[in-house]
Amino acid sequence: SQTIHQWPATLVQPVGSPLSLECTVEGTSNPNLYWYRQAAGRGLQLLFYSVGIGQISSEVPQNLSASRPQDRQFILSSKKLLLSDSGFYLCAWSRPMNTEAFFGQGTRLTVV
Amino acid sequence: AQSVTQLGSHVSVSEGALVLLRCNYSSSVPPYLFWYVQYPNQGLQLLLKYTTGATLVKGINGFEAEFKKSETSFHLTKPSAHMSDAAEYFCAVSGANFGNEKLTFGTGTRLTIIP
Repeated sequence: SQTIHQWPATLVQPVGSPLSLECTVEGTSNPNLYWYRQAAGRGLQLLFYSVGIGQISSEVPQNLSASRPQDRQFILSSKKLLLSDSGFYLCAWSRPMNTEAFFGQGTRLTVV
Repeated sequence: AQSVTQLGSHVSVSEGALVLLRCNYSSSVPPYLFWYVQYPNQGLQLLLKYTTGATLVKGINGFEAEFKKSETSFHLTKPSAHMSDAAEYFCAVSGANFGNEKLTFGTGTRLTIIP
């Protein structure tokens, strides 16, 4: 069976510090990978998606970047966090050409 | 392009009463439609989905939804609410063809169950 791991579960970081959130998928190969951000009252906003190693598409301009160094690893990064980067970040995967997404448990990021 | 509108950011129902959460979508291609549930500080869990075929879709935990193309709607219902149904619910849409697999979510509806 397939599983998705996302860590850490919670994170408190000062403004201007770097960020690295990691997501890995097990039990499948060549998944589509996604990073979403959830802000209160605003639903889920797609930040990045990837259909393969090194292939990253950005949905919205922002202070964040994503990388996919391995087939089943997806990393969300920032060089300098802003207060507005606070939120609940969710990683998800789907099978190629399949729309059903499976979500990780999320990371609650608070920038102080 | 796709979009989703969920009417009512907060819905309260009494335990045992009917649950109705509304979702309307817009899509330039034939849609696939989803309902997800989120419990506090957790990820999203798929409740049900419509892709093709029967327009009345049954999901987990007694929920069902009906795809109505003429009304561009995909409302979620459950005949009798249970305390454990208290959560946030998200409707989502994607395109039913290659290149349109990304999910677009609504802003969510928080369901409260009154004892």
